[in-house]
Amino acid sequence: QVQLVESGGGVVQPGRSLRLSCAASGFTFSNYGIHWVRQAPGKGLEWVAIISYDGGNKYYADSVKGRFTISRDNSKNTLFLQMNSLRAEDTAVYYCAKDLYNYDSGNWGPGDYWGQGTLVTVSS
Amino acid sequence: EIVMTQSPVTLSVSPGERATLSCRASQSVSSNLAWYQQKPGQAPRLLIYGASTRATGIPARFSGSGSGTEFTLTISSLQSEDFAVYYCQQYNNWPPYTFGQGTKLEIK
Repeated sequence: QVQLVESGGGVVQPGRSLRLSCAASGFTFSNYGIHWVRQAPGKGLEWVAIISYDGGNKYYADSVKGRFTISRDNSKNTLFLQMNSLRAEDTAVYYCAKDLYNYDSGNWGPGDYWGQGTLVTVSS
Repeated sequence: EIVMTQSPVTLSVSPGERATLSCRASQSVSSNLAWYQQKPGQAPRLLIYGASTRATGIPARFSGSGSGTEFTLTISSLQSEDFAVYYCQQYNNWPPYTFGQGTKLEIK
């Protein structure tokens, strides 16, 4: 079965960095784009970034562009989110989600399988 | 950026009754619209994609309709496990993918 497991969250001071990981299993990881989506405490969902199946294409929300970097290691079935210059407003649960569509469809879509999330708290 | 607006913010419905949730896009998203269900402390669960296609394992009581800017999620006969927050998301014009603010479906 498809499984996504995030890790790397924690408490970090403003201006510092943190790296999240998402370990995938149960599907051919290298065939799918993967999203990061976050949810601030008590708030709605906010899309953060997406990376293509081969890592060749990456897109970001304006709120994180220039500060966050999405990457993947297909040999280890793992997705990453490098978060630099963290701000209080980055405090959230961060989810990784597998894209619905296989790379050969030529489409990008919603996330059909999600991890359980990892909490990032930015506070002094 | 496409703005997604959901209504109502909160919907109170009795078990066994029908629930109708709405989602409006600030410009056309064609049929590139998804619905998610989220329960407290859990990750979102994909219910509907392509505005009307049920995701794998989703019961037939969930149905989606609409295209362009107006969309509806209907739950035909509410079960106790259906009370949750529901989000719509467009994936037509991105980045960014954008979500609605959510509709909380509560027990009446």
